[in-house]
Amino acid sequence: SYVLTQPPSVSVAPGQTARITCGGNNIGSKSVHWYQQKPGQAPVLVVYDDSDRPSGIPERFSGSNSGNTATLTISRVEAGDEADYYCQVWDSSSDHPNYVFGTGTKVTVL
Amino acid sequence: EVQLVESGGGLVQPGRSLRLSCTASGFTFGDYAMSWVRQAPGKGLEWVGFIRSKAYGGTTEYAASVKGRFTISRDDSKSIAYLQMNSLKTEDTAVYYCTRHRSGSYGLDYWGQGTLVTVSS
Repeated sequence: SYVLTQPPSVSVAPGQTARITCGGNNIGSKSVHWYQQKPGQAPVLVVYDDSDRPSGIPERFSGSNSGNTATLTISRVEAGDEADYYCQVWDSSSDHPNYVFGTGTKVTVL
Repeated sequence: EVQLVESGGGLVQPGRSLRLSCTASGFTFGDYAMSWVRQAPGKGLEWVGFIRSKAYGGTTEYAASVKGRFTISRDDSKSIAYLQMNSLKTEDTAVYYCTRHRSGSYGLDYWGQGTLVTVSS
C-alpha cells in the first residue's frame, strides 16, 4: 500500500518560515492535500491539489509537489499556526484504491 | 454556511453494531461525495470510506481495515450520510469525522466536529 512519510515535528520561531515535507513514491504524479488540526478540533483543509488554497486560508500557506516530495510552506509563522499537519493523497494505483494520510507533523512555534 | 453534524457515537461492546449519522446543511448535499475519517486517541487520521454522489453512481470505496464490516449509505432527500459499523473491534475506537469532498477534487473541504466511538467490554 502507498505510504506517506512526514517528519514527526518541526520547530520554528515566530516570523520565520516552516517547511513540512511529505514523502511518497512518485508523489509528484498525485494531487496532494494538506490539513491543519489544532488540539481538540477537527482538521481544516489548508491546501488542496498541491498548491491551491481554500477561501479564508491566509496566503502564508503554500504548497508544492514534485518528484518524491510534497512540501507545505508556512511563511511568517504565527503562534496560532501551532498545530498538527497532515498530507493526504488519493491512491488509485493499486487494486484497492484508497485515501492515504501522512503520519502527521507537529509544528511548534518557539 | 456549510455544516456537518455527526451523531450516534457511544460505548459499544466488541462484536456489536453501531450506526453513525451525518446531517448536512448549507449546501446541495446530493451533489457531493462524502467521506468518513477516523482518529484513534492520540493517533493520526485514517480514512474509513466514501460514497460518491448519485451523479457518479452513488458507489462506495472502503479502507481495507473496515471493508466487509462497515457500510456507507446516503439519503439525499434528508441530507444525511450514514456509517453502519458491524462486528466492531476494540481497534475501531476513535473519533469519527464526516467530511465533504471538494467539488472536482479529492480534498476534504468541510469536516464535522466528530463523534466518539468506544469499543470496549
